[in-house]
Amino acid sequence: NAGVTQTPKFRILKIGQSMTLQCTQDMNHNYMYWYRQDPGMGLKLIYYSVGAGITDKGEVPNGYNVSRSTTEDFPLRLELAAPSQTSVYFCASSYQNTPGGGNIQYFGAGTRLSVL
Amino acid sequence: AQKVTQAQTEISVVEKEDVTLDCVYETRDTTYYLFWYKQPPSGELVFLIRRNSFDEQNEISGRYSWNFQKSTSSFNFTITASQVVDSAVYFCALSVIPAYSGAGSYQLTFGKGTKLSVIP
Repeated sequence: NAGVTQTPKFRILKIGQSMTLQCTQDMNHNYMYWYRQDPGMGLKLIYYSVGAGITDKGEVPNGYNVSRSTTEDFPLRLELAAPSQTSVYFCASSYQNTPGGGNIQYFGAGTRLSVL
Repeated sequence: AQKVTQAQTEISVVEKEDVTLDCVYETRDTTYYLFWYKQPPSGELVFLIRRNSFDEQNEISGRYSWNFQKSTSSFNFTITASQVVDSAVYFCALSVIPAYSGAGSYQLTFGKGTKLSVIP
C-alpha cells in the first residue's frame, strides 16, 4: 500500500536554483495539497488541487508553482530558491465525494529541503 | 479566519502515566471538522481521528480518548497508560465548510503541535 509518495526525501539547494518536488498518490483521490512545516510550527498550505487541471493558492503560495495534469501526480516547483524556503514539505491527498464533508487528508513522508 | 491553539509546546511524562493534550479552536463557521494527527520521530503525519461540529460525543479508541466541548471550543486528547511509542508531536487541526458553498473542505488549519516525550 504505497499511499502518498514524495521524492526526494532530502535535498540541498543553492540560492537561485530551481527544483521540483514530486508527489504521487495511488488512492484515486481527487483532492491533493502541498504544505510546508517550519520548525516549531504547524503546517501551512501552499497550494491545493480539487482535480486534474484545477489548482488554487493556499495560505503561503509565493515562490512556488504547481500543476496537476493527472489525478495521481501533483508536483511542486520552486523556481528561484531562497533561504526562506528551507522547510519540510508535505504532500497530502483526500477523497471528496459528498458536499460539505470534512475529508481526511493522508500525508506523504515529507521532503526536507535546505537552501544555502 | 480560523485558528487552532495548542498551548502546551512540550510535555514529558513517565511511562504508564496518563496525559492530556489540549486543543482550543476558533471559527465563526457553524459547520466544521476537527482532527488529530500524530507525527512520530520518523516524520510522517498519521491521521488519528476526525470529529464534526454536530457530534459532541466523546470517543475512545484503545488507550486514546477525545473530549469535544463546543461550549469551550476545545477538542482535547488523552492518552491513558502512556507508552514510549507514544512519543511524538501531536497536531490538532480544523477545517471549515463555508456556508455559501456546497463544496467540501479543502484546507486544514493546524496548531503548532505538542511534543510528547514518554520516558521509560
